Amino acid sequence: QKEVEQNSGPLSVPEGAIASLNCTYSDRGSQSFFWYRQYSGKSPELIMSIYSNGDKEDGRFTAQLNKASQYVSLLIRDSQPSDSATYLCAGATGSAGNMLTFGGGTRLMVKP
Amino acid sequence: DTGVSQDPRHKITKRGQNVTFRCDPISEHNRLYWYRQTLGQGPEFLTYFQNEAQLEKSRLLSDRFSAERPKGSFSTLEIQRTEQGDSAMYLCASSLQGEQPQHFGDGTRLSIL
Repeated sequence: QKEVEQNSGPLSVPEGAIASLNCTYSDRGSQSFFWYRQYSGKSPELIMSIYSNGDKEDGRFTAQLNKASQYVSLLIRDSQPSDSATYLCAGATGSAGNMLTFGGGTRLMVKP
Repeated sequence: DTGVSQDPRHKITKRGQNVTFRCDPISEHNRLYWYRQTLGQGPEFLTYFQNEAQLEKSRLLSDRFSAERPKGSFSTLEIQRTEQGDSAMYLCASSLQGEQPQHFGDGTRLSIL
């Protein structure tokens, strides 16, 4: 069992809709979580970091963390075609959170 | 802040050859990480450095792989006697310290013929 699980998708949403991306993790020792966006052939780009239970908002993006349920999510409001990419969820694992464990990513397609 | 820089961007080599990649982290970051990513998968941790000390290595890092960060600045990742299964994107990232966001370079795509 992978330590960080994501639905591979594709998740298809119309332009202007809310895209909801989900992630579960198994390592209860993980305290910090990150969402990265990766366009095809490019490297991961950090979108959001979240360290405590609850919601964290940054522009059109909201990250949610529920440590009791071991669940992380990313909401993208007013989705744009340029948001079409693979979204990677990662948790800081290992001693002192020294490495990131990634899920396999969810491919998002925003249709005009 | 010039970002994480990796060189080369692409490397094509024959099976059995040795290859070396270079990573220059964001200048004030003392932590440097190497990951490997294959098609359709998320990046997998290989190893990380704090300053010049290599503090953790994944079981994925076989004896054919070696990484160095001699002066605590740039790092190199060498793969000896390359195999078909080594074909992947090799990503370097850096951060200020543990639990902090890691910022990735553009990666080096390795293709083994």
